[in-house]
Amino acid sequence: DSGVTQTPKHLITATGQRVTLRCSPRSGDLSVYWYQQSLDQGLQFLIQYYNGEERAKGNILERFSAQQFPDLHSELNLSSLELGDSALYFCASSVGSSGGTQYFGPGTRLLVL
Amino acid sequence: QKEVEQDPGPLSVPEGAIVSLNCTYSNSAFQYFMWYRQYSRKGPELLMYTYSSGNKEDGRFTAQVDKSSKYISLFIRDSQPSDSATYLCAIGYNQGGKLIFGQGTELSVKP
Repeated sequence: DSGVTQTPKHLITATGQRVTLRCSPRSGDLSVYWYQQSLDQGLQFLIQYYNGEERAKGNILERFSAQQFPDLHSELNLSSLELGDSALYFCASSVGSSGGTQYFGPGTRLLVL
Repeated sequence: QKEVEQDPGPLSVPEGAIVSLNCTYSNSAFQYFMWYRQYSRKGPELLMYTYSSGNKEDGRFTAQVDKSSKYISLFIRDSQPSDSATYLCAIGYNQGGKLIFGQGTELSVKP
């Protein structure tokens, strides 16, 4: 157990809908990262927050957004969902803002029908 | 060209074999290197982490980095069926937390 928690474990929804994925980092970690894993693209970095502020952005779609709250948990919002958004979404956390080891949560499996 | 290349396998070996997993990368600015293990439908689990060229050993696992060749390896000695998983290399910069992952190599260790 990495200490990173994610909810829900599974999510099934329809195209055009909006969902929210939640992540709680390990105790003491200030950075939260979101990654998307699909069969064709592998594990891709989406976005990083450090102590409530956006720190780095990857190839995150405009339909996706995230935030980190004062208690350091983070939410990833996915809207206007398309079939191609079906994937595993992972949250990871680390102590600092750069150069440190990242510990991954168990993931949320999203299926868009 | 992808920033990190990893042979996806699958790789099948008998129990007790030495396994060699490899990645190459293109940007010499990368400064730290990790190996993760991912069991089916689970989150990646950190195995090894290193900054520098050379070898780092942890039990049956050895991570090797050659910055001059932009080549990293993970060796697994005395492989066990419980080592059957997908192994992902991950590479990052010191300025910023983004990790870039290889495609992953699927390993199967047969009893």
